[in-house]
Amino acid sequence: DQQVKQNSPSLSVQEGRISILNCDYTNSMFDYFLWYKKYPAEGPTFLISISSIKDKNEDGRFTVFLNKSAKHLSLHIVPSQPGDSAVYFCAAHTSGTYKYIFGTGTRLKVLA
Amino acid sequence: NAGVTQTPKFQVLKTGQSMTLQCAQDMNHEYMSWYRQDPGMGLRLIHYSVGAGITDQGEVPNGYNVSRSTTEDFPLRLLSAAPSQTSVYFCASSPWTSGGGTDTQYFGPGTRLTVL
Repeated sequence: DQQVKQNSPSLSVQEGRISILNCDYTNSMFDYFLWYKKYPAEGPTFLISISSIKDKNEDGRFTVFLNKSAKHLSLHIVPSQPGDSAVYFCAAHTSGTYKYIFGTGTRLKVLA
Repeated sequence: NAGVTQTPKFQVLKTGQSMTLQCAQDMNHEYMSWYRQDPGMGLRLIHYSVGAGITDQGEVPNGYNVSRSTTEDFPLRLLSAAPSQTSVYFCASSPWTSGGGTDTQYFGPGTRLTVL
């Protein structure tokens, strides 16, 4: 049972436009969500996070939106740059536990 | 400050062989974990540790053993390698200062393992 789902395996966006990456979850106990970015042959690196008490968190070009009623979060990248081309993973966590559950990833390609 | 280091970078094993994937961190992090990444499956937690002497199972622990004798090291042992264990393995660490797991995890560069 996949508790965290990223239904789009890949996404292509023109440079300068907005990239929107989506993530759905099924476990209502999740209360913290993170996005990681992964380049080929490297480990994932942390990008941005959001607590369930918020519905939006912004860091420069990156904004994460959380819709708890829909159990959905999205990552917006504006404007997209070629260096943003990578695989993006969303992850979820429940306070008091020690496990992070990752989605399957979305490969973003930003076209110059 | 090297962060999280993993050795080896690549490994080829024959079915039934055993080996240990090494992971070390120099950030004095209490929490360490092992994931495997497979196509279409994302990152799946194998085992984790919240401090020296404390380990527990993740989502996919079968066929793997771990131990945590020091804060710095968290080796992953494959007891009898199987082709299904062909994967990329990532080690990660986190300070776990908040106690609720909201701290960022820092990942190593990964070990690509092929089991023939």
